[in-house]
Formats: sequence, structure tokens, C-alpha cells
Amino acid sequence: EPEVTQTPSHQVTQMGQEVILRCVPISNHLYFYWYRQILGQKVEFLVSFYNNEISEKSEIFDDQFSVERPDGSNFTLKIRSTKLEDSAMYFCASRRLAGGSGDTQYFGPGTRLTVL
Amino acid sequence: AQKVTQAQTEISVVEKEDVTLDCVYETRDTTYYLFWYKQPPSGELVFLIRRNSFDEQNEISGRYSWNFQKSTSSFNFTITASQVVDSAVYFCALSEPNTGNQFYFGTGTSLTVIP
Repeated sequence: EPEVTQTPSHQVTQMGQEVILRCVPISNHLYFYWYRQILGQKVEFLVSFYNNEISEKSEIFDDQFSVERPDGSNFTLKIRSTKLEDSAMYFCASRRLAGGSGDTQYFGPGTRLTVL
Repeated sequence: AQKVTQAQTEISVVEKEDVTLDCVYETRDTTYYLFWYKQPPSGELVFLIRRNSFDEQNEISGRYSWNFQKSTSSFNFTITASQVVDSAVYFCALSEPNTGNQFYFGTGTSLTVIP
């Protein structure tokens, strides 16, 4: 069964460094998302991406964040200058349909980012 | 304001007991979607169920059942005859087409099933 994959599973970085989290969504999906979950807290929406551009973004998704679909398969989240409070689990998700279909989002296994 | 409220932070039950996890949502949209996800200790989010706002039929899948009541804006999840493998954090989520179908998650309910 197709699934969303994410690499790396765990990333440790120094404060101020740039990190790129990678995701490979399910191949025929059209909508892509990034969420984050600070340890012990709820999952929070960061950004959605459709047709090679950002569709929606939350207040959390400030100028230090960017997303990109550099080729036909990868979907990346870049954090330019990491802060301690960026330490969290980052989930990528994708869904098949566009528009207001409410189609199920399928989540990747997550990347645990630790900022020291 | 919270769009999804899961008032139960932690629940512990003894194996084989039934347990209900509560979820209350808030939306002004007439079309919306509700979901439940399971997050085991390994951390991934496992899809359990999707329900649209026009379908109030309750659903049963094995030991799992869901009770959707628009009148009380609730979408509760019941596990019958709980097992140790059910121990996880369970998240309820809402999506609205008008906001790009992003998910609004509740804070989760941590379920521990004691053998």
C-alpha cells in the first residue's frame, strides 16, 4: 500500500543552522501539508501546498520557514535559522483530491527535530 | 477558540473494559469533515476514520465504533473490549473546505490499557 515517507527520522542540529526536512508524498496525491507536534502537545498545521504554491499557512509558518517541491516526488520544509523552540516532530501529509473534498490526509512517520 | 476539544487528557482502563473518548468540535461551515487518528508510542499518526457532516450514521469497525451527533457537535469514539495494543494517544480532527482542508487537531487523549 502506498505511503508517505519522510527523511531523516531524526535530525539534530545546532541553533541557528538551516535544516531541510524531506517528504515523499503518495504519488497520485495533489495536496501536501506540513504539521508539527511539540513534545506532548497537539499536532499543529503549518502549511498546505497545491499546484506548486502555498495554499494556506498558519501563524507559525513565518519567514524562517519555506516549502518547495523541487521535483515530481519530493516535498521539502526548510527552516533557515533554527531556534530551540523549533524542536518538535514534523509530519508531512498528502491527500489525493483537490478542492473541498475533505479527502483523508495520510501522514508520514514524522521527523523528530532536536535543536541544541 | 479551540475548534476541536478533547476534554479527557488521560484515561486508564483495565483490559477488556469498554472506553469512550470524547470529541467536541466547533465550526460555522455546513460542510466539514471529522477524523480520528491514533498515535502509538512509536509516534506515527494512523488514520482510523473519516466522517463528513452529511453522514450522521454511526459506524462500527471491529471493536471500534463512532457516534457522530451534529446536535451536540460531538464525534465520540468507543473501543469495546479494550486491549493493551490500544494504548496510544488518540486525536480527533476537523477539516473545513473553506480553509483548505487543513486539519484542526484536538489536544489528544492518552489511553492506557492495563493488562
